[in-house]
Amino acid sequence: EAQVTQNPRYLITVTGKKLTVTCSQNMNHEYMSWYRQDPGLGLRQIYYSMNVEVTDKGDVPEGYKVSRKEKRNFPLILESPSPNQTSLYFCASSLGTGGYEQYFGPGTRLTVT
Amino acid sequence: GENVEQHPSTLSVQEGDSAVIKCTYSDSASNYFPWYKQELGKRPQLIIDIRSNVGEKKDQRIAVTLNKTAKHFSLHITETQPEDSAVYFCAARAYSGGGADGLTFGKGTHLIIQP
Repeated sequence: EAQVTQNPRYLITVTGKKLTVTCSQNMNHEYMSWYRQDPGLGLRQIYYSMNVEVTDKGDVPEGYKVSRKEKRNFPLILESPSPNQTSLYFCASSLGTGGYEQYFGPGTRLTVT
Repeated sequence: GENVEQHPSTLSVQEGDSAVIKCTYSDSASNYFPWYKQELGKRPQLIIDIRSNVGEKKDQRIAVTLNKTAKHFSLHITETQPEDSAVYFCAARAYSGGGADGLTFGKGTHLIIQP
């Protein structure tokens, strides 16, 4: 089954404790992206990747890192989480950047205390 | 960068009536405009999209129109049903100078279908 998976689905952590949210897709998609969703603010892009070893900042990249060492995986790293990073995070992938449908993962609800 | 404005933030309609959600964008170079539906507790899913070389696109009860001159596009849902209740997001594909790009989303419209 074609899908985007994320882990963990729920995470409660404390300020400053490094964490990684994994994202994996099995559709051989070149383009992958991370979004955060906050009430009243919609979906805001954090980082995206057009292919292996090619990443770029989205609209809200501060406090996040990403890597794309393999085509299928695109982890999101929070080196020192802060409470303002409490949010619902979605990973998405698509065939390319030329106006292709983005397939979203199930979401990761992160709470930083 | 691209800026997408979406209105209204909440829309309540009677079952069977039509619903219209409107978006404007700022970057005249944007050329791809998808609409996503997000049901409560679920992930966003594409319901329809339109490219800048087309003015209108229909798929059963949903349609999208695009006015490139005015830089706005709209989602139309006819004969609304209870299962249409969800949050709808418009988006525009934004260009950056280096050729890389991403989607910029509107803030969403909560559509409520009243029985």
